[in-house]
Amino acid sequence: NAGVTQTPKFRILKIGQSMTLQCTQDMNHNYMYWYRQDPGMGLKLIYYSVGAGITDKGEVPNGYNVSRSTTEDFPLRLELAAPSQTSVYFCASSDRGGLRQPQHFGDGTRLSIL
Amino acid sequence: AQTVTQSQPEMSVQEAETVTLSCTYDTSESDYYLFWYKQPPSRQMILVIRQEAYKQQNATENRFSVNFQKAAKSFSLKISDSQLGDAAMYFCAYGNRDDKIIFGKGTRLHILP
Repeated sequence: NAGVTQTPKFRILKIGQSMTLQCTQDMNHNYMYWYRQDPGMGLKLIYYSVGAGITDKGEVPNGYNVSRSTTEDFPLRLELAAPSQTSVYFCASSDRGGLRQPQHFGDGTRLSIL
Repeated sequence: AQTVTQSQPEMSVQEAETVTLSCTYDTSESDYYLFWYKQPPSRQMILVIRQEAYKQQNATENRFSVNFQKAAKSFSLKISDSQLGDAAMYFCAYGNRDDKIIFGKGTRLHILP
């Protein structure tokens, strides 16, 4: 079972470039989440979605955009990359009921902005 | 706003011994969830155990158990019979009915052979 798949696994960007981090899940989960993990820190919620067409801000949404056109996909967009966005990004999903169900995490994307 | 505090950045335990990781949280909500996640060097986030605030009984999963003290806003994780594979970062997390989750900074657990 694939579960939650994130691409790419690693990426280096220059300041001001843009990119999209891809996340797809094959479990038909309604809820999807994007987190960032800075060195020595826990995960911080960037955006989340409770279903196709619905997104909402988390704790640290500035500098990011998301969309949820299908149940399976939840891409995260960085429009103008800044050094402060250097981090490891995790996508997660859960079934109906959000946090009443276990979250399934992808393997993460390590992003460096130089 | 809710906060999660893990006061132990690192801990060590001898293999086969028992270790307890501390977590405190702050919230004004009455209905919420608490989690412990394990992050090994592979970077995968693995759910270890989950507690629903309305349940008084402490959750257990094999060698992992929690001590949930709702009034004290404390949620510690006990690992019994520690194994080398338990070495990882452990994150305490709080989730509310809006389905937002807040993580602590983590405790790095070392298992000494």
